[in-house]
Amino acid sequence: QKEVEQNSGPLSVPEGAIASLNCTYSDRGSQSFFWYRQYSGKSPELIMFIYSNGDKEDGRFTAQLNKASQYVSLLIRDSQPSDSATYLCAVTGHNQGGKLIFGQGTELSVKP
Amino acid sequence: DTAVSQTPKYLVTQMGNDKSIKCEQNLGHDTMYWYKQDSKKFLKIMFSYNNKELIINETVPNRFSPKSPDKAHLNLHINSLELGDSAVYFCASSQEGAGINYGYTFGSGTRLTVV
Repeated sequence: QKEVEQNSGPLSVPEGAIASLNCTYSDRGSQSFFWYRQYSGKSPELIMFIYSNGDKEDGRFTAQLNKASQYVSLLIRDSQPSDSATYLCAVTGHNQGGKLIFGQGTELSVKP
Repeated sequence: DTAVSQTPKYLVTQMGNDKSIKCEQNLGHDTMYWYKQDSKKFLKIMFSYNNKELIINETVPNRFSPKSPDKAHLNLHINSLELGDSAVYFCASSQEGAGINYGYTFGSGTRLTVV
């Protein structure tokens, strides 16, 4: 079982729709959860991080964490073509020296 | 005023050669990392240094040797390059506060192609 799992996609949504990206993790001790966006040929950039169960909103982005189900998701409202990228889920645990374990990423395509 | 800078951006070299990638961060972060991203975009940690001290050394061939002269710099030297070393190598840095990791800032990456 992979430590962090994501559907590789591609996930295709029309412009203006809500894009829903999902991630599961295997280590129950995981404490911090991150979503990164990576455009083709570029480096990953941090979109959001979440530590507590529930929702965290930042503009058009909402991260949702459910530690009991070992599940974290990212919702993108009013999706734009510029949101087309690969979205990487990453988790880290306590006393792991800051090590982030990444999923394989979900490719999102927003069609005009 | 790039936060995490890597050089070179592209590196094409022949099998068997030795090469180095340099990384510098001006964020004042204590921890720096090297990650490898394969052709399927999977990012895997290689090494991590905290204040010049090696704290993470994943299962990486000993042809790869990191060096951190100070907490703002982390270089990666690769000996006897092999075809399978072709990938994008990312440097990153992070800062923890009260045991909370606030995420990484990545460099722009070095695309290594071994021919």
